[in-house]
Amino acid sequence: DVKVTQSSRYLVKRTGEKVFLECVQDMDHENMFWYRQDPGLGLRLIYFSYDVKMKEKGDIPEGYSVSREKKERFSLILESASTNQTSMYLCASSLDTQYFGPGTRLTVL
Amino acid sequence: QKEVEQNSGPLSVPEGAIASLNCTYSDRGSQSFFWYRQYSGKSPELIMSIYSNGDKEDGRFTAQLNKASQYVSLLIRDSQPSDSATYLCAVNWGRDDKIIFGKGTRLHILP
Repeated sequence: DVKVTQSSRYLVKRTGEKVFLECVQDMDHENMFWYRQDPGLGLRLIYFSYDVKMKEKGDIPEGYSVSREKKERFSLILESASTNQTSMYLCASSLDTQYFGPGTRLTVL
Repeated sequence: QKEVEQNSGPLSVPEGAIASLNCTYSDRGSQSFFWYRQYSGKSPELIMSIYSNGDKEDGRFTAQLNKASQYVSLLIRDSQPSDSATYLCAVNWGRDDKIIFGKGTRLHILP
């Protein structure tokens, strides 16, 4: 079974803080994705990575950056958290099909 | 603009009946189609994938694809209260397994 884990289920941060969300997969998948999900807006792609150190912007990359130093780990970084980044953040990895981690519900106060 | 459209619902179906969920997509070049189930507060869970025109059955679930009409559907037979969830339709685009999600249909199975 594919296993995708995320570092935290719930996270509360303050405006201006730097936030790191980590995602790890154990299936040697090349492709990994970060989404955010908001009511009424659905799942929106922030960034994806198709190989170590390779990344591409998704639909809403502003305010975010990513890092993929190892194949199994894909990190999402909020350089300076803002209240409009309060959301559910979902990581996925894929080999033909995307499999999701449990999600991180981030609240920025 | 690539789009995946779903009726947001809620779709209410009596227990034991067939639930029918529908999805249309805009990109004629799409080749891979997925249905995910998402319980409230949880992450999406893959139910089925379909790649060819026609029907694909897996237990109580049947996915149907019509590429000419750019239409994909999910049938759930013998609906159970545990099927109450939001169902997301997803369609591939580009390379590297990227997919676009619809906003989901909320399904409510009435006991």
